[in-house]
Amino acid sequence: QKEVEQDPGPLSVPEGAIVSLNCTYSNSAFQYFMWYRQYSRKGPELLMYTYSSGNKEDGRFTAQVDKSSKYISLFIRDSQPSDSATYLCAMSYTGTASKLTFGTGTRLQVTL
Amino acid sequence: GAVVSQHPSRVICKSGTSVKIECRSLDFQATTMFWYRQFPKQSLMLMATSNEGSKATYEQGVEKDKFLINHASLTLSTLTVTSAHPEDSSFYICSAKIDRADTQYFGPGTRLTVL
Repeated sequence: QKEVEQDPGPLSVPEGAIVSLNCTYSNSAFQYFMWYRQYSRKGPELLMYTYSSGNKEDGRFTAQVDKSSKYISLFIRDSQPSDSATYLCAMSYTGTASKLTFGTGTRLQVTL
Repeated sequence: GAVVSQHPSRVICKSGTSVKIECRSLDFQATTMFWYRQFPKQSLMLMATSNEGSKATYEQGVEKDKFLINHASLTLSTLTVTSAHPEDSSFYICSAKIDRADTQYFGPGTRLTVL
């Protein structure tokens, strides 16, 4: 069993839709939960991170962590074609600059 | 700011040869850099943690004699794949941690194909 599971997609949605991306994990020791966005031929860039359980909002993006269920989500409101990318969840024990354990990434396509 | 570059972006080599990949932090100093590998349809997997001026720390299952890491300066780490074989074909990505900050920035990756 992988430590972090993520549906690879692809996920195709129309412009303006609400997108829900999810990951599950098995290691309860993870404390930091991150979402990265990766455009083709580029390195991952950090979108948001959450420490422990709870919600965090940043503009159109909302990250949720439910440690009791070992389940994290990223919601994108009013999705735009520029949001088309691969979204990777990542987790660590000690911080965003430490060893990261990634999901496989979900490829998102937002269509006009 | 906070740009990390990798060179080359793509390399094709023959089986048995060695390949060197460079990772540079362009506008900040990075005492610590990380090397990841990603096989098709699989997640990024940490290979090793590179610390300036000291030996790299390798993850379990990664052969340190095959994947040589040198972090000779605060802005450059290199990964050398020695005696490459087709199964080493993968996407290699580095990241660099900004000193005194809890942030790491990723390079664009290097696609290695071993024939």
